Amino acid sequence: DAKTTQPNSMESNEEEPVHLPCNHSTISGTDYIHWYRQLPSQGPEYVIHGLTSNVNNRMASLAIAEDRKSSTLILHRATLRDAAVYYCILRDDSGTASKLTFGTGTRLQVTL
Amino acid sequence: DVKVTQSSRYLVKRTGEKVFLECVQDMDHENMFWYRQDPGLGLRLIYFSYDVKMKEKGDIPEGYSVSREKKERFSLILESASTNQTSMYLCASSSGQDPYEQYFGPGTRLTVT
Repeated sequence: DAKTTQPNSMESNEEEPVHLPCNHSTISGTDYIHWYRQLPSQGPEYVIHGLTSNVNNRMASLAIAEDRKSSTLILHRATLRDAAVYYCILRDDSGTASKLTFGTGTRLQVTL
Repeated sequence: DVKVTQSSRYLVKRTGEKVFLECVQDMDHENMFWYRQDPGLGLRLIYFSYDVKMKEKGDIPEGYSVSREKKERFSLILESASTNQTSMYLCASSSGQDPYEQYFGPGTRLTVT
């Protein structure tokens, strides 16, 4: 399975943009890049996903490098409610059901 | 809103007991998953099911079994609980046609003493 590498932790000030990096140098051509986040005492929740092009939704933006070996999740204005563990995941569609392999993620701290 | 519910938030069991963790989803999803989450190890897939009565092993199936008799319900069974199965257990579901998003339940924190 292709793996991802993320920093263990990052800090941000409230209302500033946050760029969360992810390296996935062994990504295959058909792997989708997913981001999930896990708020304290909750299950993970979907944030965004993409294949080759940059993607935007109401929660965040995903910037994917041209060679697809890295990507960046962008929170445009961090709030205290964005404090969570963010997981960068490559989706494996090769079996009977799409599977996600979670790493240890990046713990984002947001301060006033 | 998609809802994935788990039967208990907290559970304490003794070594050797048989433990059932129940998960129910209300979105008619084909795929259901069981993960465990441990500090420093992230989430690891135990088993998943892509249809009623169908199941496949994930990355760490040893010591666990599963049951899916109805589409909305996916059970994780610890035949003989051991202390190294103390963990947070998370259930998730996704659509077969649109599998990009998995919806997670709130988790069950299981302690085996």
